[in-house]
Amino acid sequence: KQEVTQIPAALSVPEGENLVLNCSFTDSAIYNLQWFRQDPGKGLTSLLLIQSSQREQTSGRLNASLDKSSGRSTLYIAASQPGDSATYLCASDQTGANNLFFGTGTRLTVIP
Amino acid sequence: GAGVSQSPSNKVTEKGKDVELRCDPISGHTALYWYRQRLGQGLEFLIYFQGNSAPDKSGLPSDRFSAERTGESVSTLTIQRTQQEDSAVYLCASSPPAGDTQYFGPGTRLTVL
Repeated sequence: KQEVTQIPAALSVPEGENLVLNCSFTDSAIYNLQWFRQDPGKGLTSLLLIQSSQREQTSGRLNASLDKSSGRSTLYIAASQPGDSATYLCASDQTGANNLFFGTGTRLTVIP
Repeated sequence: GAGVSQSPSNKVTEKGKDVELRCDPISGHTALYWYRQRLGQGLEFLIYFQGNSAPDKSGLPSDRFSAERTGESVSTLTIQRTQQEDSAVYLCASSPPAGDTQYFGPGTRLTVL
């Protein structure tokens, strides 16, 4: 069974800093890797999806990379803002059936 | 447009009672998923519906858990004889045909006393 780990569990940075969130997975035979953010009391919002054949995806200040051979993905956030404060979750889809295996998340706090 | 909605937003019940949680997916989305998020843990997949195909129930933790979906619309997750370990946020998501991105609802927070 796929196991997804996210380190660190929590991170605080001052506004304006660039930061990297890490995600590792045990089974490299993935269909895609997805990053979500979760705000308190709300559902998940999809941020980026990287297909297994891709190495990275970018959306605005966010860049996600995928290295299947090492079982790692990173989410890079440039010029962080207080509104980026949330829990960031990564999830792997093993089969394309969209049955996702989630990590426990990194809780990010951006200090104004 | 309207997103995925779930009701109730909060549910407090006594151990041993049955509960029903409801999910209304985005119109036109053929796939629907249920997940459970226990405090301090990651999301756990419970069940997946895709169109008229037989649902993938591989994530249901026990036979006390069941789910139904009417066509490609509303789904209900039923937990019978609730236990304290069932306390969690139950999240529903839907995705469009041939789409990979899942759109999540706000969740139902279930507390079993």
